[in-house]
Amino acid sequence: EPEVTQTPSHQVTQMGQEVILRCVPISNHLYFYWYRQILGQKVEFLVSFYNNEISEKSEIFDDQFSVERPDGSNFTLKIRSTKLEDSAMYFCASKGGQSEAFFGQGTRLTVV
Amino acid sequence: RKEVEQDPGPFNVPEGATVAFNCTYSNSASQSFFWYRQDCRKEPKLLMSVYSSGNEDGRFTAQLNRASQYISLLIRDSKLSDSATYLCVVNGAPRGGYQKVTFGTGTKLQVIP
Repeated sequence: EPEVTQTPSHQVTQMGQEVILRCVPISNHLYFYWYRQILGQKVEFLVSFYNNEISEKSEIFDDQFSVERPDGSNFTLKIRSTKLEDSAMYFCASKGGQSEAFFGQGTRLTVV
Repeated sequence: RKEVEQDPGPFNVPEGATVAFNCTYSNSASQSFFWYRQDCRKEPKLLMSVYSSGNEDGRFTAQLNRASQYISLLIRDSKLSDSATYLCVVNGAPRGGYQKVTFGTGTKLQVIP
């Protein structure tokens, strides 16, 4: 069964450092998303990507965040200068057409 | 009004009970609807799609009322393994090809022995 894969599963970084979270969406999907979930809280939308550009982004997705699809398969989320409050699970999702979104297993980001 | 609203719970129910979750959405042009299940520290996983005609999968029944912009999930004969957070998810109307996926806050279910 096709699946969305995310790496790394857990990333520990120092405050102020840059991190790149990686995702390989399902190959024939068209829509790509990043969400985050702070421990014990709801799933929050960060950004969506379609047709090689950002379609929509939330207030959370400020200038510290960026996304790329550098090679047609990977979909990355970069946080330029991490803050303590960026600690969360980050989920990548992809979707084709009217179907449901499929999620990766998440990257747990811990900023110390 | 939030785009997708759910009662956050928690719902604490005994094994064998029937429990119902509700969800409302604000955009009448929304296209498709789903219930996801999320276990602690895991990714959301699709439980079932929701159709206007209603659909059933074993102990789970989902209903959609487009007129009221309301979605429900019924779980019969609750099992301990049903304990999780249930997320209502709505696909918006496509705009220029793009389609937004919006999550409700999730409803936490705890099934008690």
